Amino acid sequence: DTGVSQDPRHKITKRGQNVTFRCDPISEHNRLYWYRQTLGQGPEFLTYFQNEAQLEKSRLLSDRFSAERPKGSFSTLEIQRTEQGDSAMYLCASSSLGSGNYGYTFGSGTRLTVV
Amino acid sequence: GESVGLHLPTLSVQEGDNSIINCAYSNSASDYFIWYKQESGKGPQFIIDIRSNMDKRQGQRVTVLLNKTVKHLSLQIAATQPGDSAVYFCAENKGDYKLSFGAGTTVTVRA
Repeated sequence: DTGVSQDPRHKITKRGQNVTFRCDPISEHNRLYWYRQTLGQGPEFLTYFQNEAQLEKSRLLSDRFSAERPKGSFSTLEIQRTEQGDSAMYLCASSSLGSGNYGYTFGSGTRLTVV
Repeated sequence: GESVGLHLPTLSVQEGDNSIINCAYSNSASDYFIWYKQESGKGPQFIIDIRSNMDKRQGQRVTVLLNKTVKHLSLQIAATQPGDSAVYFCAENKGDYKLSFGAGTTVTVRA
């Protein structure tokens, strides 16, 4: 499988719990992005890595959110003390620097439901 | 706020007809626009892109038109098929690595 993989596909958690999602990008891609998508809306940018460096975080990413990409390969997105408003689809995408059409490839996402 | 949006949230089209999906943008500094297709339970899938120095670009059964005068982008799908049923998003890239998406148009193909 040469696509972007996300795990888990679905997560139901109780309010106040911590959750962690994983993204495995396309192996030769050095850029990795996290987006959030709520029902009926387009994806919204959360954060971006080039190799292991986190270069930008959106204001949407509160202090409860943290993302890492320790070895420049897979990435994790952790949400602490989840709130009902965190319920959304969390999408990961990757691309390669210099790719002709920015070559974004999205994963299928992790759907989070906070109850 | 978002700078990219779509005119209509839904579009119903007869199988075999052509579909036109519209998008208005407000950021004249955007230099790159992309159309994505998203099927239920999946992530957005790249369809076609166009740079701001172009007016038209064609792909397989799809054409994107860019009118910078009125800041309007459209996606035309020829001979729409049942597999084209999905949500379509336009997105803009202002030359950096982030994409700004509109709210999407849900296309339903009638048999």
